[in-house]
Amino acid sequence: LAKTTQPISMDSYEGQEVNITCSHNNIATNDYITWYQQFPSQGPRFIIQGYKTKVTNEVASLFIPADRKSSTLSLPRVSLSDTAVYYCLVVNTGTASKLTFGTGTRLQVTL
Amino acid sequence: DSGVTQTPKHLITATGQRVTLRCSPRSGDLSVYWYQQSLDQGLQFLIQYYNGEERAKGNILERFSAQQFPDLHSELNLSSLELGDSALYFCASCLGSPTDTQYFGPGTRLTVL
Repeated sequence: LAKTTQPISMDSYEGQEVNITCSHNNIATNDYITWYQQFPSQGPRFIIQGYKTKVTNEVASLFIPADRKSSTLSLPRVSLSDTAVYYCLVVNTGTASKLTFGTGTRLQVTL
Repeated sequence: DSGVTQTPKHLITATGQRVTLRCSPRSGDLSVYWYQQSLDQGLQFLIQYYNGEERAKGNILERFSAQQFPDLHSELNLSSLELGDSALYFCASCLGSPTDTQYFGPGTRLTVL
């Protein structure tokens, strides 16, 4: 079971780049890494997913080193509306039975 | 709006009772996931259904059960409720594969008194 570990909280100023790292030492060959964002009292929302190296979309980048034992979510120029909890999730392509959300990182963005 | 609907939005009940939570997936999605989110446990995967059949189980208690109907909506049944079952219950839907993007509903907040 690929357990994930993330920092409990992070603080940032508006306009800065934020990097949130997730550790997943037991990741399996057919596991993907997915990040979700959650606002209070709302369901999580997909941000980005990757398998290795770097993935970029319109809101974030995901960096995964060659050993895949960690990953870093990068949020460029955060704004106050990026204040949320960010979850790292390891997803197995074969079965959801190993679905494991991390503890989440609470990001607080201030002026 | 994710396209996933959940009812009811809030539910208050007493210990020992039974409740049913309902989820309608996005149009075209065949898979439904159920999650429990409580303050001390974080987001816990409970169970997954795909096209009417149970596909995967997570940390679901024996007092809990679920099913997915031919029209693909799903229900989560919670029985013999305990105080510790108070939580937000989310369902999410996706096309089918575990690596597909999951679209979460707004959740049902269950309070057991």
